[in-house]
Amino acid sequence: NAGVTQTPKFQVLKTGQSMTLQCAQDMNHNSMYWYRQDPGMGLRLIYYSASEGTTDKGEVPNGYNVSRLNKREFSLRLESAAPSQTSVYFCASSENRRGWDQPQHFGDGTRLSIL
Amino acid sequence: GENVGLHLPTLSVQEGDNSIINCAYSNSASDYFIWYKQESGKGPQFIIDIRSNMDKRQGQRVTVLLNKTVKHLSLQIAATQPGDSAVYFCAETNTNAGKSTFGDGTTLTVKP
Repeated sequence: NAGVTQTPKFQVLKTGQSMTLQCAQDMNHNSMYWYRQDPGMGLRLIYYSASEGTTDKGEVPNGYNVSRLNKREFSLRLESAAPSQTSVYFCASSENRRGWDQPQHFGDGTRLSIL
Repeated sequence: GENVGLHLPTLSVQEGDNSIINCAYSNSASDYFIWYKQESGKGPQFIIDIRSNMDKRQGQRVTVLLNKTVKHLSLQIAATQPGDSAVYFCAETNTNAGKSTFGDGTTLTVKP
């Protein structure tokens, strides 16, 4: 069981470039999440998906879009990268729909630098 | 060894000692709490959780205490080992609102 797999692990972009971060889970979980983690700050929720076919904004959605491709996969897209989006991005999943009362399972992150 | 919230974000203990990591949460409506461990270069890993209808929960070598009166959460690690060295952070959740807030974390260093 791989759990939550994120690709790529590292990426460097120039300002204005676009890219998609990929996330897949093999635990048959319903809910999936995207967070960013910045130095000295706690994880902040970008978007989440309570079930296949639904997505909702989190605390810091500006500059991002998401797609819940199927139950396994949840991607995060930066359309026009900005230096303020330099961060470590984590994908997570939890078993139930709207699984706020359960622990989340995290991937190992994508370290993204925007020059 | 013990830390107190954000003012002491690092905790250094001797191997074999007990560790206490503290977390002050902000929302009185939060009803679900989790402790995560994050090793360098890795994603957060679930340690233990507690719901607001409890004030103590024990796992293997870990205990979480919840004091709702003062909005305080603590994680106790018994017989701390070098493998426990990591960043530990708490998360508070208001399950009705579907909103979680994550703490900044405390770095635990275990000296052999």
